[in-house]
Amino acid sequence: GAGVSQSPSNKVTEKGKDVELRCDPISGHTALYWYRQRLGQGLEFLIYFQGNSAPDKSGLPSDRFSAERTGESVSTLTIQRTQQEDSAVYLCASSLSPVYEQYFGPGTRLTVT
Amino acid sequence: AQKITQTQPGMFVQEKEAVTLDCTYDTSDPSYGLFWYKQPSSGEMIFLIYQGSYDQQNATEGRYSLNFQKARKSANLVISASQLGDSAMYFCAMRERDNTDKLIFGTGTRLQVFP
Repeated sequence: GAGVSQSPSNKVTEKGKDVELRCDPISGHTALYWYRQRLGQGLEFLIYFQGNSAPDKSGLPSDRFSAERTGESVSTLTIQRTQQEDSAVYLCASSLSPVYEQYFGPGTRLTVT
Repeated sequence: AQKITQTQPGMFVQEKEAVTLDCTYDTSDPSYGLFWYKQPSSGEMIFLIYQGSYDQQNATEGRYSLNFQKARKSANLVISASQLGDSAMYFCAMRERDNTDKLIFGTGTRLQVFP
């Protein structure tokens, strides 16, 4: 079946603009995660959705970052008033449930100029 | 304190040889899971292997095995019979049950396999 997909694959934006990143999880996966990977670094957790439970937003770096998920489907990560330090690859992952391995999408490379 | 530590920024191995990538972790949660992911230059994260804290035996998946030493809090990845396609970044990650199950990643090890 299809894996996790993300769009766009690349996004270049000017400082101060808002961006929306999209994630389509694997069908049937109840858990969805967003991570950020800065150049040459490991992954930083941003936010986690599990079914209809309240999301875990503990990794969001500032109130400029927000995310939504409709049921067990698509999720969007929004970054408002982008800053140059937001430049990174944003990875989405999904899993059948939190106890299982996470499957990652190809990521969105965000460049803020 | 670092939750996941990967002390080898880079490793080289000759094709067909075995290589061990180190990972140590820190947690007070008795129930946790340890994962290894591979990230080739394409950027996608590929799940390799999983070890649960209560698993009695070391996990194995094909050429990948996890050398789990619970008392030392280490979870080293062993890749046997290295192939050129194994060249990539390798990340160790931990999931803590009382920490909403998110993955905490190490900084990674870049493995280069040479002929």
